[in-house]
Amino acid sequence: GQSLEQPSEVTAVEGAIVQINCTYQTSGFYGLSWYQQHDGGAPTFLSYNALDGLEETGRFSSFLSRSDSYGYLLLQELQMKDSASYFCAVEGISGTALIFGKGTTLSVSS
Amino acid sequence: DAGVTQSPTHLIKTRGQQVTLRCSPKSGHDTVSWYQQALGQGPQFIFQYYEEEERQRGNFPDRFSGHQFPNYSSELNVNALLLGDSALYLCASSLPGQGSGELFFGEGSRLTVL
Repeated sequence: GQSLEQPSEVTAVEGAIVQINCTYQTSGFYGLSWYQQHDGGAPTFLSYNALDGLEETGRFSSFLSRSDSYGYLLLQELQMKDSASYFCAVEGISGTALIFGKGTTLSVSS
Repeated sequence: DAGVTQSPTHLIKTRGQQVTLRCSPKSGHDTVSWYQQALGQGPQFIFQYYEEEERQRGNFPDRFSGHQFPNYSSELNVNALLLGDSALYLCASSLPGQGSGELFFGEGSRLTVL
């Protein structure tokens, strides 16, 4: 089976940098994805790591270390609109179904 | 370009009833996945359809069934509803194959079971 662990809540102030960690247990996977979900909305794709290392997309970066079974999402220059839930998800080797973590609620204050 | 559309957006049922939820994938996508998201939790994978066949299934009972039509749209059926089935049901579409980790989600159908 697969399981992913994330902190349940993170708080930060506008302009700061925050890192959301994700540790996983899985027998194998193609890659690690990150999604953002605002209250009551659809999850939206942020980033994907197929290989170890850092992927940068604007203010967001994501990192994967397969040897450490660990990844993180880095959000820079935080804005109020970044307040949302963030989910890591693994793409299993048996298909394209994504398995999600329980999510991290990020609260950004002024 | 229409994204993923789901209907209905909200519905209320009573225990023991049956419900059907519908999903139209993003244009050009032929793979549809269904997820259940309870309040404060991450989306839980129910099943995935490709070429009108269930390709992969998560840990959900047989009360949960689905269908995919030739136009790639899909339905999720839940029989003998339980209070615990109250959740947001999300449909996501994608292109087949691995390697992108990207799903396109609809806004969901919020089911309340009384």
